Order: sequence, then C-alpha cells, then structure tokens
Amino acid sequence: GEDVEQSLFLSVREGDSSVINCTYTDSSSTYLYWYKQEPGAGLQLLTYIFSNMDMKQDQRLTVLLNKKDKHLSLRIADTQTGDSAIYFCAELTDSWGKLQFGAGTQVVVTP
Amino acid sequence: NAGVTQTPKFQVLKTGQSMTLQCAQDMNHNSMYWYRQDPGMGLRLIYYSASEGTTDKGEVPNGYNVSRLNKREFSLRLESAAPSQTSVYFCASTGTTGNTIYFGEGSWLTVV
Repeated sequence: GEDVEQSLFLSVREGDSSVINCTYTDSSSTYLYWYKQEPGAGLQLLTYIFSNMDMKQDQRLTVLLNKKDKHLSLRIADTQTGDSAIYFCAELTDSWGKLQFGAGTQVVVTP
Repeated sequence: NAGVTQTPKFQVLKTGQSMTLQCAQDMNHNSMYWYRQDPGMGLRLIYYSASEGTTDKGEVPNGYNVSRLNKREFSLRLESAAPSQTSVYFCASTGTTGNTIYFGEGSWLTVV
C-alpha cells in the first residue's frame, strides 16, 4: 500500500517560520492535504494542493509540492503559540475520497 | 452549520460489550468514512460509503460493521469490543468533487 511519511516532532520559537515535511509514494495522487489537530479535538483542514500545482499560499501558510521527489511541505510564517498542534499530511488515493495519512508531526512553539 | 457530528464523544466499554458510534452530516455529501486514530500511526480507514446504499471495507475493517442509514447518517458498530479497539474514531464526509473532506470532532473509546 501507499505510505506517507513525516517527521514526528518539530520545535520552533515563537515568531520564527516552521517547515513541516512529508513524503508520499502514490504518484497518481490528485490532491494532498494538511490537517491540524489540537489536543482533544478533531481534524481541521488547513489547506490542500492540487497535484498540478507547485505552490499554494494562504495567509501565513505556504504549501510546496515537488512531484518529481513526491515531497510536500507546509511552511507557517510567524509561528504563534496557537500553532502548537499535530499536523497531518494526507494524500487522496482514489476517486472515492479515501485518504492515506502520515503519522503526524507534533509542533511545539516555545516563547 | 453543524458539518459532521459524531456521538458519543467519550465512551468506556467492557470487553465483549457492543456499541454503535453515530455520525451525521448536513452538507448533502455523498461519501462518508470512518477512521481510527492510534498514537504514532496517523488515521487508518475502517470502512467507507461512496454513496447511499453502498459500503466498502477500508484498511482495518475487522471487528467492525457499518450502516449507511440514509444520505446523512453513517454508523459504526462494534459487536464485541476488544481492548485493541481502544482508539479515537473519526467520521468524515465529502461531496462529489472529493477534494474537500470534513471531519467530525472524534469519539474517544476505551475498552477495558
């Protein structure tokens, strides 16, 4: 099956930029997603990128997609304490909307 | 606009007991899903329903059954709960384009 891999932990100082990386294996994926999960809460869709795009920017969030290397990244500018959460990368694996998730990256923002 | 609503939010079961997790969406979505989340493993698909009247197994279906009661509702049943089913369960749904997938708030299930 397909695997989505992410680093498990990232520590960043408040005000700095965070970069969360993800690699995926299914080259036919049409959409790739970033979800945010705060403690005890559900998954919040942050952003997604269509596979024919290289970059997508949405306020403080920048998504970069390198299809050749099957690498996806999420950059958070001016990271705030409210950005502390687990971030999941996911790829859409078929037309029925099934997602393959990475294990999640725990982001801790320190003052 | 409620989105995807799951109940209950928390549940403790004894081994061998049965229970049903309920999920409803008010976005007129065709497809609905049940995932489980375990530490260090991300989310794994249990079952999904591509449209009303159809259900299919996902990656980890053993020990579960589902019912797509109507377009709005998709329930997940544990017939005989086991400690290995201690997890957080998420329901999700998406429309015809399939590119925006919404999740419920999660149901925390502990089997003792």
